[in-house]
Amino acid sequence: AQSVTQLGSHVSVSEGALVLLRCNYSSSVPPYLFWYVQYPNQGLQLLLKYTTGATLVKGINGFEAEFKKSETSFHLTKPSAHMSDAAEYFCAVTLPNSGYSTLTFGKGTMLLVSP
Amino acid sequence: EAQVTQNPRYLITVTGKKLTVTCSQNMNHEYMSWYRQDPGLGLRQIYYSMNVEVTDKGDVPEGYKVSRKEKRNFPLILESPSPNQTSLYFCASSVSGRDSNEQFFGPGTRLTVL
Repeated sequence: AQSVTQLGSHVSVSEGALVLLRCNYSSSVPPYLFWYVQYPNQGLQLLLKYTTGATLVKGINGFEAEFKKSETSFHLTKPSAHMSDAAEYFCAVTLPNSGYSTLTFGKGTMLLVSP
Repeated sequence: EAQVTQNPRYLITVTGKKLTVTCSQNMNHEYMSWYRQDPGLGLRQIYYSMNVEVTDKGDVPEGYKVSRKEKRNFPLILESPSPNQTSLYFCASSVSGRDSNEQFFGPGTRLTVL
């Protein structure tokens, strides 16, 4: 079974500082990996995804993530935080043996950005 | 505008009173899914549908029913709601459930069962 672990339920940064949100997965086969963002009182929106090929993936709003198979990680980064980045972020994984039909989410990390 | 809509957005009900939360998408997507979101637990999949008349259980299907009679609609039915089903529910859809297609999420339905 696949699982996703997000380290830290809350991460606080100052505006302009580096954002690093951690995600590790557990899977015996290479998964597809996703980061979603949820702004207050809204549904989830896809930030970026990794399927195959280049391991550094760029997404919307200046975010990027790198797939590291040896570390089973897919950490999300952004060089400089903006106040508008304050939201909850979810890492998710899906596997080929589920026909990619089952998306398993981590528990989420709330990003707090202070002036 | 391409979107996933859910109704109602907010619902307060009592234990045992049957309810239906509707979900509709206008993108001609094959795949649709229901999730519940609870604090500290993230999103957990309840049911999903690969196409019309094809549905399957997710991780937490107990106490829920679904149907997929039309491609655009995927209602979630709670035959006898209980307080532990108080949660935030999201419907999602994607082009297909067989690839890494992006799932588009509805705005959510906040359900309280007293």
